[in-house]
Amino acid sequence: EAGVTQFPSHSVIEKGQTVTLRCDPISGHDNLYWYRRVMGKEIKFLLHFVKESKQDESGMPNNRFLAERTGGTYSTLKVQPAELEDSGVYFCASSQGTDFSLAKNIQYFGAGTRLSVL
Amino acid sequence: AQTVTQSQPEMSVQEAETVTLSCTYDTSESDYYLFWYKQPPSRQMILVIRQEAYKQQNATENRFSVNFQKAAKSFSLKISDSQLGDAAMYFCAWVYYAGGTSYGKLTFGQGTILTVHP
Repeated sequence: EAGVTQFPSHSVIEKGQTVTLRCDPISGHDNLYWYRRVMGKEIKFLLHFVKESKQDESGMPNNRFLAERTGGTYSTLKVQPAELEDSGVYFCASSQGTDFSLAKNIQYFGAGTRLSVL
Repeated sequence: AQTVTQSQPEMSVQEAETVTLSCTYDTSESDYYLFWYKQPPSRQMILVIRQEAYKQQNATENRFSVNFQKAAKSFSLKISDSQLGDAAMYFCAWVYYAGGTSYGKLTFGQGTILTVHP
């Protein structure tokens, strides 16, 4: 079974440019999450999709960030325009459900996309 | 708001020895799950162990075990017989859970880098 895949693994852009990160969840996982870790700090929640709908986007920092999940499959996270403080590692995770009493519903993470804004 | 604190930015252990990673959290909720995730360098973050808050028995997974102290809001991870492959960044995480569901929004600590010396 393929895991959660994120593209690219590393992106270096200049301030003001646009970057799009992609996440391919595990097949059949309705739930998709985005998180971000700024250097040296904790990983912070950005948003949660259930299929193609945004269940919770309370962690999105501002309107320069746009997340989509077309057809409930892969998801993209666009940053436009990028600022220096957007640098960090962006993680994507997916799960089949959200009942954590069931082992099948744990969140599986990708390796992350390291974004460097210069 | 919930917070998770890992007070040890770095830890080291000799191969075959035992090491304990600390995690404390703050929440007013009574039902939740706690997790330890491991991220080897440039690789996917994987779940090491999980603990249900209403279960008093500490979770164990082979060489990994936790010491869950609900009243003290402490959730430490013990790694026995450490192996070189245990070297990674370890994250402690919390999620709200009630009635068979959860919002899925994980709250993470800052992470602890574990080095294993041969």
